[in-house]
Amino acid sequence: RKEVEQDPGPFNVPEGATVAFNCTYSNSASQSFFWYRQDCRKEPKLLMSVYSSGNEDGRFTAQLNRASQYISLLIRDSKLSDSATYLCVGGDSGGYQKVTFGIGTKLQVIP
Amino acid sequence: NAGVMQNPRHLVRRRGQEARLRCSPMKGHSHVYWYRQLPEEGLKFMVYLQKENIIDESGMPKERFSAEFPKEGPSILRIQQVVRGDSAAYFCASSDNRFSGNTIYFGEGSWLTVV
Repeated sequence: RKEVEQDPGPFNVPEGATVAFNCTYSNSASQSFFWYRQDCRKEPKLLMSVYSSGNEDGRFTAQLNRASQYISLLIRDSKLSDSATYLCVGGDSGGYQKVTFGIGTKLQVIP
Repeated sequence: NAGVMQNPRHLVRRRGQEARLRCSPMKGHSHVYWYRQLPEEGLKFMVYLQKENIIDESGMPKERFSAEFPKEGPSILRIQQVVRGDSAAYFCASSDNRFSGNTIYFGEGSWLTVV
């Protein structure tokens, strides 16, 4: 079983829709979680950290469910510019070598 | 303040040749990480280096791959006797301390194509 699993998609959604991605992790020792965004043939860029209490940044909301070992990303009012691949990242506290990237979920927002 | 610089951005090599990928970390960063992204796959950790030291190379293939980060100059990822399966995007990242997710910055990547 992969340490971090994501549905690769693609998720095709109309502009203005709300879309949610989940990511499950197998290592219960994982402490740090993040969502990265990667555009086609570009480098990954940090989108947001994920906190146990959940956190929101504009149209983006991230949540962590430790009991079920998954994190989620919710995007409201999707824009065409949100089209990208969203990478789930999990890691041990301070453990770079345990940092694991998911395969990514591809989102395509359609006009 | 320049970001993480990688070169070449695109590299084509014939099977059996050597590929050298270079990475200059962000100014002030002393930690360098190399990741490989195969087509349709996620990022995979390869190696973590500090100046003149390899800290963790647990993700490096046992043969043909090596990495260094000399006292002066960029970090170099070297692939000897390349094979078609080495075709991938190689991303370098840097940080000012051990990776904590929100302090790691990626270069734009080097795309290696083996023909």
